[in-house]
Amino acid sequence: EAGVTQSPTHLIKTRGQQATLRCSPISGHTSVYWYQQALGLGLQFLLWYDEGEERNRGNFPPRFSGRQFPNYSSELNVNALELEDSALYLCASSSNRARGLFFGPGTRLTVL
Amino acid sequence: AQSVTQLDSQVPVFEEAPVELRCNYSSSVSVYLFWYVQYPNQGLQLLLKYLSGSTLVESINGFEAEFNKSQTSFHLRKPSVHISDTAEYFCAVSESFGNEKLTFGTGTRLTIIP
Repeated sequence: EAGVTQSPTHLIKTRGQQATLRCSPISGHTSVYWYQQALGLGLQFLLWYDEGEERNRGNFPPRFSGRQFPNYSSELNVNALELEDSALYLCASSSNRARGLFFGPGTRLTVL
Repeated sequence: AQSVTQLDSQVPVFEEAPVELRCNYSSSVSVYLFWYVQYPNQGLQLLLKYLSGSTLVESINGFEAEFNKSQTSFHLRKPSVHISDTAEYFCAVSESFGNEKLTFGTGTRLTIIP
């Protein structure tokens, strides 16, 4: 069974640009979660999508947004990038049967 | 609201010595508890979880954790560590069935000294 995949592995942008990160969940999982892991700040919950709908979002500004597609894959968009957006962005998926989140390898975003 | 406290940010341990990584949680409802491990430059891997039943749960690589409701703790232990256990360990809590959103602790960096 393939795990959660994320692309790209690394992404380098400059301040003010937009970044798009992608995630494919484990087959059969309908929920996708996004977390930000910034240096010194631990894992911060960003967004939760289930069945194509946004179910919850963390304490992040509106320039962090995303969507979930009919095949349950997901996209995270970060507009007007700031230096402090530099972090590892982790995507995770889950199902009703398997409790807990299954994480992908992450996308490392660097904002210069 | 739920929260997780990992008091130790770094724990150095000699190889083959025992280790305990502490985790305490705060929640007003029943919880599900998890330990995740993050090896250098990788994502998070589920190490073990407590959902219900036996309060002692084990992983395949020798770690175990015990759910203690009265002390609201879920400490992670291993009787003898190996160099390959060097990683960051995160404790996490989830409330209620159907909501998988996890709240993570700040992590404990385990360093094994040869």
